[in-house]
Amino acid sequence: EAGVTQSPTHLIKTRGQQATLRCSPISGHTSVYWYQQALGLGLQFLLWYDEGEERNRGNFPPRFSGRQFPNYSSELNVNALELEDSALYLCASSLTLYNEQFFGPGTRLTVL
Amino acid sequence: EDQVTQSPEALRLQEGESSSLNCSYTVSGLRGLFWYRQDPGKGPEFLFTLYSAGEEKEKERLKATLTKKESFLHITAPKPEDSATYLCAVHASNSGYALNFGKGTSLLVT
Repeated sequence: EAGVTQSPTHLIKTRGQQATLRCSPISGHTSVYWYQQALGLGLQFLLWYDEGEERNRGNFPPRFSGRQFPNYSSELNVNALELEDSALYLCASSLTLYNEQFFGPGTRLTVL
Repeated sequence: EDQVTQSPEALRLQEGESSSLNCSYTVSGLRGLFWYRQDPGKGPEFLFTLYSAGEEKEKERLKATLTKKESFLHITAPKPEDSATYLCAVHASNSGYALNFGKGTSLLVT
């Protein structure tokens, strides 16, 4: 069974640009979660999508947004990039709510 | 406010030297506690889920236990390949199904 996949592996942008990150969940999983892992800060919850709808968001500004497609894959968009947005962005999926979440390999975003 | 605290921040063990990692939590209505392993630059790998106090789970050299205030990850006779960061996360009833992570314990086995 294929795991969670993410693309691209690495992304380099300059301040003020926009970044788009993609995630495909494990087959059969309908919930997709996005987390940010910045150096020294641990994993911080960004967004949760389920059945195509945004269900919850963490303490991040509106320039972090995304969507979930009918096939349950998801996209994270970060507008007006700032230097502190440099981090590993992780996507996870789960079969049901309150069950374990399975993570993808992440996208390393570097903002110059 | 929900809090998850892991200790120690870093741990260095000799091969074969058993030890325990701690995860203490303060949450409103624990729905589940999760342990993950993360290698540098990679996504976390799921290890265990614990739902209620007294529950225990085992996998190879790892054993996770849960009380009403904390969880322990016991590592028996570790090998160098067990070197990684171990993350603890909780689901709370008011978390909207997001995981609340601790900052992790970085384990080095030499």
